[in-house]
Amino acid sequence: RKEVEQDPGPFNVPEGATVAFNCTYSNSASQSFFWYRQDCRKEPKLLMSVYSSGNEDGRFTAQLNRASQYISLLIRDSKLSDSATYLCVVNRPGANNLFFGTGTRLTVIP
Amino acid sequence: NAGVTQTPKFQVLKTGQSMTLQCAQDMNHNSMYWYRQDPGMGLRLIYYSASEGTTDKGEVPNGYNVSRLNKREFSLRLESAAPSQTSVYFCASNTGAAEAFFGQGTRLTVV
Repeated sequence: RKEVEQDPGPFNVPEGATVAFNCTYSNSASQSFFWYRQDCRKEPKLLMSVYSSGNEDGRFTAQLNRASQYISLLIRDSKLSDSATYLCVVNRPGANNLFFGTGTRLTVIP
Repeated sequence: NAGVTQTPKFQVLKTGQSMTLQCAQDMNHNSMYWYRQDPGMGLRLIYYSASEGTTDKGEVPNGYNVSRLNKREFSLRLESAAPSQTSVYFCASNTGAAEAFFGQGTRLTVV
């Protein structure tokens, strides 16, 4: 089983739609979780960290389910500018490094 | 406020040539990473360095070598480039389990 698994998509949604991405991780001891955004031909950049209690940043909500070992990202009221690839990131306990999922491609359609 | 700096940004090599990709960070991070990303695919870890003086293989280390020169710098060397190494290479750094910061990438083509 891969350390981090994501549905690659693509997700094509109309402007204004709500879209959700899930990501599962294999190591139950992982402690840090992030969502990154990557635009075409650019470097990945942090979108938001994911906290145990769940957290929200404007139209974006991230949640963590430790029992089922998955994290989610919800985007409300999608904008054209949200079109990008969203990467799920989990730390690897003890090895001091991060694992990146392969990413979920989102296209928001006018 | 440089963050993570990679050089060069673009490079074309002939099969069999060698080159070194440079990466430097000014955030006093302990860990540094080299990833490759092929078209339509996710990031794959080549090598990482958890601290100065240590390096470890990642998912796809074959054909590459690395050097953690000091806390700031982590270089990636291709000894004999092959067309299969055509890719975009990203360097990243972080400390512990905190967020990672990326360089802008090196677009390498091997012909």
